[in-house]
Amino acid sequence: AQKVTQAQTEISVVEKEDVTLDCVYETRDTTYYLFWYKQPPSGELVFLIRRNSFDEQNEISGRYSWNFQKSTSSFNFTITASQVVDSAVYFCALTLRGGKSTFGDGTTLTVKP
Amino acid sequence: DTGVSQDPRHKITKRGQNVTFRCDPISEHNRLYWYRQTLGQGPEFLTYFQNEAQLEKSRLLSDRFSAERPKGSFSTLEIQRTEQGDSAMYLCASTVFEGNEQFFGPGTRLTVL
Repeated sequence: AQKVTQAQTEISVVEKEDVTLDCVYETRDTTYYLFWYKQPPSGELVFLIRRNSFDEQNEISGRYSWNFQKSTSSFNFTITASQVVDSAVYFCALTLRGGKSTFGDGTTLTVKP
Repeated sequence: DTGVSQDPRHKITKRGQNVTFRCDPISEHNRLYWYRQTLGQGPEFLTYFQNEAQLEKSRLLSDRFSAERPKGSFSTLEIQRTEQGDSAMYLCASTVFEGNEQFFGPGTRLTVL
C-alpha cells in the first residue's frame, strides 16, 4: 500500500523568508508520479509541480524549487522569498501507474507580513 | 472550457436519504477521479475512471457508494442511505494521463443531519 507523510502540520514564516515543506512517500511500485498542490482559503486545489520516478533532476520554477531523492523517498518543496499570498494548505501527492492517488494530510503555511 | 464543474455545490440531507452528485470534467480529459475531503485532512481517493471504465475503487468505499461515467464524459457519485459520517467535501478531478496534474473542481459539500 502507498502512503504519503507530511510531518509538518503547520508552518509560520515572515514574508520574504524561504520555507521548505517536507514530504516522504512509500510505495513498492517502480513507476510513480509525485505532485505538490496548493489549497488556498477559497478551497480549490491548484497544481504546483510534478516529478516522475525516473527523473531525479531537481529544478527551479520561479520562486518554487523541489528536491526529489529516491534514496530517502522524499519530495521536498521550497518557496523562496515567501509572500502573504502563499498562505495556504499544501498537499503532497503520489499517483501510481494504475491511476490510484494518495495525498498527504497537508501542511498549513502562514506567511505573515 | 472553464475547468471542472461540480453540481450541486452544497447539499444538506437527512440521514438515510440518497444523494447524487455530478461532475463535468474538462472536455478532452479521459481520466476522472472522485475524492472525499474532511476538515484537516488531505483528499481521500474514492475511485478512478479512464473513459467509461472504472479502473480503481478504494477498499474504504462501502457498497453504499457507487460511481458511473456512462459515456466517458460526465460522472455521477451516488451515496445511498447516507450516514452522518458521510458529511464531507466531495471533490472531482480530471486529467489526460495519470502522470499529469489533476484539475480539481470546486467540490460538493455534503452535510448529513
